[in-house]
Amino acid sequence: RKEVEQDPGPFNVPEGATVAFNCTYSNSASQSFFWYRQDCRKEPKLLMSVYSSGNEDGRFTAQLNRASQYISLLIRDSKLSDSATYLCVVIDNQGGKLIFGQGTELSVKP
Amino acid sequence: NAGVMQNPRHLVRRRGQEARLRCSPMKGHSHVYWYRQLPEEGLKFMVYLQKENIIDESGMPKERFSAEFPKEGPSILRIQQVVRGDSAAYFCASSDRGQGYNEQFFGPGTRLTVL
Repeated sequence: RKEVEQDPGPFNVPEGATVAFNCTYSNSASQSFFWYRQDCRKEPKLLMSVYSSGNEDGRFTAQLNRASQYISLLIRDSKLSDSATYLCVVIDNQGGKLIFGQGTELSVKP
Repeated sequence: NAGVMQNPRHLVRRRGQEARLRCSPMKGHSHVYWYRQLPEEGLKFMVYLQKENIIDESGMPKERFSAEFPKEGPSILRIQQVVRGDSAAYFCASSDRGQGYNEQFFGPGTRLTVL
């Protein structure tokens, strides 16, 4: 089983749609979780952290369910500029290395 | 404050040659991580270094790959006798802390192509 698994994608949605990405992780002791964004295989950039209480940043909402070892990202009112690959990331507790999911590609169409 | 710098951005090597990838962390950062992204795959951790020390090299291939982060100068990822399967994007990231939560800032990557 992979350490971090994501929806396979790609997701093709029209502008204005709401889209949700899911992710599961295998290490129940993991403490820190993030969503990164990667455009055209350039360097990944931090989108947002994920907290147990859930957190929201504008049109983006991230949720964590520790019991199910499940992380989600919701994007409301999709924009063309949201087209990218979204990476679910878990931090290794020992040395801080990032463990990436394989990524889910989102394509927002006019 | 300059971000993480990597050079070269693109590197072409023939099979059997050596590749040297450089990473200069952000100012004030002493922790460097290297990740590799093979075509059509996700990013995979390779090695974690602090100044003059390798902390975790659990993701490094057993042969041909080495990394260093000297007291002065950039971190170097060295690949000896490259093969076609080494073609990938190599990203380095830096942070100001190692364990626990630590935002890692990524460089633009080096795209290695092995002919």
